Amino acid sequence: GAGVSQSPRYKVAKRGQDVALRCDPISGHVSLFWYQQALGQGPEFLTYFQNEAQLDKSGLPSDRFFAERPEGSVSTLKIQRTQQEDSAVYLCASSLARSGRALTNEQYFGPGTRLTVT
Amino acid sequence: AQRVTQPEKLLSVFKGAPVELKCNYSYSGSPELFWYVQYSRQRLQLLLRHISRESIKGFTADLNKGETSFHLKKPFAQEEDSAMYYCALSRSGYSTLTFGKGTMLLVSP
Repeated sequence: GAGVSQSPRYKVAKRGQDVALRCDPISGHVSLFWYQQALGQGPEFLTYFQNEAQLDKSGLPSDRFFAERPEGSVSTLKIQRTQQEDSAVYLCASSLARSGRALTNEQYFGPGTRLTVT
Repeated sequence: AQRVTQPEKLLSVFKGAPVELKCNYSYSGSPELFWYVQYSRQRLQLLLRHISRESIKGFTADLNKGETSFHLKKPFAQEEDSAMYYCALSRSGYSTLTFGKGTMLLVSP
């Protein structure tokens, strides 16, 4: 079936605006991850869901960032009062297994949403 | 905290030359190491993982715990290997990945 999809693919926001980024994981995948990738950097972990439960949000950079996955499928990453430093590509990944072991738990990445804050 | 270091931003080689993309990590426990690749206009995808001891597209990587390294190697580079390569680590028992900054591999004809 289809891989992980993300929308929108590109988003331009004025500083101070709120944005919402959507991730559709592969059907049946239990785990969902959000990463932030700034220009010239590797992806950095933001938050992790197992079904609808947000098990780890230690990577969220500030309380302006909020993520949810209410029905254990689609997830939304919301950024309030965007700042220029929020400009980055936001990647979503999903994996099949419930286990915490990345060893057997390959993450499948979406194409990303490129957010530009002006 | 764990860290992954990829010292080279860009590695440029000619077709047929050997390739080694360096990766060093710091983590006090037993890590799980991965190489991810991103080809032009494609999404990030898993290339290989240390525990599988597999060779994918001619690439291999050996975990050296003494040197805390997980270098990616290929004996004869191909033009289609040109891509961005990321080394990543996960802590034992956890799924989340810590990535290096990436190395761009450019293979010229």
